Amino acid sequence: SSELTQDPAVSVALGQTVRITCQGDSLRIYFASWYQQKSGQAPLLVIYGKNNRPSGIPDRFSGSSSGNTASLTITGAQAEDEADYYCSSRDSSVNPNYVFGAGTKVTVL
Amino acid sequence: EVQLVESGGGLVQPRGSLRLSCAASGFTFNTYGMNWVRQAPGKGLEWVSYISSTGGTINYADSVRGRFTISRDNAQNSLYLQMNSLGAEDTALYYCARDVKMAINQYVFDMWGQGTMVTVSS
Repeated sequence: SSELTQDPAVSVALGQTVRITCQGDSLRIYFASWYQQKSGQAPLLVIYGKNNRPSGIPDRFSGSSSGNTASLTITGAQAEDEADYYCSSRDSSVNPNYVFGAGTKVTVL
Repeated sequence: EVQLVESGGGLVQPRGSLRLSCAASGFTFNTYGMNWVRQAPGKGLEWVSYISSTGGTINYADSVRGRFTISRDNAQNSLYLQMNSLGAEDTALYYCARDVKMAINQYVFDMWGQGTMVTVSS
């Protein structure tokens, strides 16, 4: 099965910009989706496709994609953005399976 | 209110069985594929299984294939996961998640329940 690679952790100063990346062969075929998971809560979809936000997600969250890499950017990070962020896509080896990245812990300083 | 509510988790001995349920409400359940996703304590998300809206297509992660069975009852707006031959590695919070095709090659889990905890221990 495919794998998605994420950096384990990143920190960002309050109000600054942070970019999280996700790499994997499946991203050459399927778009990534991004999930925010705060401590003790269920995951929440924040970005999908090239750069689409579900209703209610602040516009400081944006996405991009190129080749085998997808990115999630938080522009003007807020304290409430501190969370784990997971990328996911369909698995290009077998359909319809899914794969998740290991997650990136975002700390807002 | 649109929601998914899991139940059926608990403490089970190794090699035991458990059946999880997910009750859907507030949307037309029989038009959506559904998934089970789990998260071991302190670990990341792991996709477990998928079932199409009609139940005609089913897939499993390699880690559970042959031991877990996903099913659904569209008349009852419910999703199930029968788990057999459980081991310590199956200890996790199990989420049900709605599957949506947003566009060509764009698939997401757009709704999640709060999860039900399964602990496998003697």
